Amino acid sequence: DTEVTQTPKHLVMGMTNKKSLKCEQHMGHRAMYWYKQKAKKPPELMFVYSYEKLSINESVPSRFSPECPNSSLLNLHLHALQPEDSALYLCASSRAGTGYYEQYFGPGTRLTVT
Amino acid sequence: GEDVEQSLFLSVREGDSSVINCTYTDSSSTYLYWYKQEPGAGLQLLTYIFSNMDMKQDQRLTVLLNKKDKHLSLRIADTQTGDSAIYFCAEPSGGYSTLTFGKGTMLLVSP
Repeated sequence: DTEVTQTPKHLVMGMTNKKSLKCEQHMGHRAMYWYKQKAKKPPELMFVYSYEKLSINESVPSRFSPECPNSSLLNLHLHALQPEDSALYLCASSRAGTGYYEQYFGPGTRLTVT
Repeated sequence: GEDVEQSLFLSVREGDSSVINCTYTDSSSTYLYWYKQEPGAGLQLLTYIFSNMDMKQDQRLTVLLNKKDKHLSLRIADTQTGDSAIYFCAEPSGGYSTLTFGKGTMLLVSP
């Protein structure tokens, strides 16, 4: 099973709302990632968790707050977003440790900020 | 820093072969990856090649690697309309299996 699931599939939120995106994998991967993807662009890395610890934060604004409650789950909490934050948010997972391991992506959450 | 280049668009007829090209700059990359993204979907790992290989074949897909020129290509034989998608090549960048993606090549297959 190489499946990464993400919920919700679509989300529309106002600039004053608080919402969360969820990601789950059951491949035993210990590295999980959040990416932001604008239309017709490649994914941009936001955060990396390795062994449930935040390892990389690519200077993401604090209105995005990641959380890794356990090795299978990854959340992205959203608060006071701006319209330019509208994008496809992708979660991915991979094995962790030294060396490079292929990442498996979820289907994404299409976020619209109004 | 690393920079991965791809041509942006390729149009082929159904049944033809497609070749998508990629140029990378980090000669120490150990693996190079091809991902496929269909409209409105996430990225699907298609295939990858280890840097000590020149070629890898997987059913209709052939990956060629020219390390001297830092050139990677993906050939799709007998291209089908279901192959229409954006194809990203990617190389490792930094730690934690992070990737640098090319800008993506949109493949359009017409009947």
